Amino acid sequence: EAGVAQSPRYKIIEKRQSVAFWCNPISGHATLYWYQQILGQGPKLLIQFQNNGVVDDSQLPKDRFSAERLKGVDSTLKIQPAKLEDSAVYLCASSLVYLGQISNTGELFFGEGSRLTVL
Amino acid sequence: KNEVEQSPQNLTAQEGEFITINCSYSVGISALHWLQQHPGGGIVSLFMLSSGKKKHGRLIATINIQEKHSSLHITASHPRDSAVYICAVHDGNKLVFGAGTILRVKS
Repeated sequence: EAGVAQSPRYKIIEKRQSVAFWCNPISGHATLYWYQQILGQGPKLLIQFQNNGVVDDSQLPKDRFSAERLKGVDSTLKIQPAKLEDSAVYLCASSLVYLGQISNTGELFFGEGSRLTVL
Repeated sequence: KNEVEQSPQNLTAQEGEFITINCSYSVGISALHWLQQHPGGGIVSLFMLSSGKKKHGRLIATINIQEKHSSLHITASHPRDSAVYICAVHDGNKLVFGAGTILRVKS
């Protein structure tokens, strides 16, 4: 079974430039997450999709970050314009079922992450 | 105060030692995950618990719902166990992650 695919693995940009990350979840997984992990910290949820709908984007800095999952399969996360503090690893994860259902807490599968350095 | 607290933050052990990593949380949860992250690598799910205890190879995870506490144990530790171990709880709406425990096992 193919895992969660992410690209690019590494990206270096200057501040105020834009960047986009792509994620292809495991086939059939309805729930997709984007996390930001700053060095030395645990992952922080940016946005959670259920199929192509947004379930939770309360921690997404919407003035500069956007994400979409138009066909309910793969997803893109965009940062425009980037700031120095956006330097982090951006992790995509997927699960088979929606974790909001108490009786269905699906196992999470993570991609390798996309490491962003903003200079 | 963070909703998910892990201890210790850093742990160095000798090969063969029994290791315990603790996770305490302050919210009601529907499930708790233990995750492993190797340097430069992605995150791998080790366990998902809602009650009791689970075992996989040399890894054991326990959870006490009343005390809002979980432990991850590694028996007969090995240098390849060196990684960051992350506890994450699902509060019924979203996952909340701890900061992780950095484990280094020396040979």
